[in-house]
Amino acid sequence: GAGVSQSPRYKVTKRGQDVALRCDPISGHVSLYWYRQALGQGPEFLTYFNYEAQQDKSGLPNDRFSAERPEGSISTLTIQRTEQRDSAMYRCASSLLGAGVNGYTFGSGTRLTVV
Amino acid sequence: GIQVEQSPPDLILQEGANSTLRCNFSDSVNNLQWFHQNPWGQLINLFYIPSGTKQNGRLSATTVATERYSLLYISSSQTTDSGVYFCAAASGNTPLVFGKGTRLSVIA
Repeated sequence: GAGVSQSPRYKVTKRGQDVALRCDPISGHVSLYWYRQALGQGPEFLTYFNYEAQQDKSGLPNDRFSAERPEGSISTLTIQRTEQRDSAMYRCASSLLGAGVNGYTFGSGTRLTVV
Repeated sequence: GIQVEQSPPDLILQEGANSTLRCNFSDSVNNLQWFHQNPWGQLINLFYIPSGTKQNGRLSATTVATERYSLLYISSSQTTDSGVYFCAAASGNTPLVFGKGTRLSVIA
């Protein structure tokens, strides 16, 4: 597509439920990134992919968080057994190629609220 | 990993004033970007500028890679410039690391 598309835009879920956040990157972009942004803070890295291969997942806070990009395009970030501390804006970005050498374009984000 | 520091943390301007935002980074970079987070939460890419100078309308940016800093200039500020400005940098083949941002308020 023309831009990075994230869905849903807003998600309210009860503590203990699983959630899946979707990211559709710019067509042809090889690299896809997930970031999490708490209120009043800068985005923090979670994980990224080149094509379908997960290159770095060092930012995932614990094993309740996982991500996949099975066909090298759309990606899903899944949070199992959500907790209130998971509430944040989840941002996805894509770049043409490579984590360090191209500009990133971000989507509008998914604001997750765990109640 | 790379550290990114931004200053000032907060800035209030009268409409029409000019300002300079600074970003210091701890390592050599091959990717540096400036973003504007508008009041609706959208993160807009302003500049991809690992080195050199770029201009886009009232905004311009300069990165001096050898001295590990970047500057974002806003001239003739408008109320629509309000929001949070983030600098983000990366070295090697690692993802962007963001600073904590500069919160700008432009008042009429």
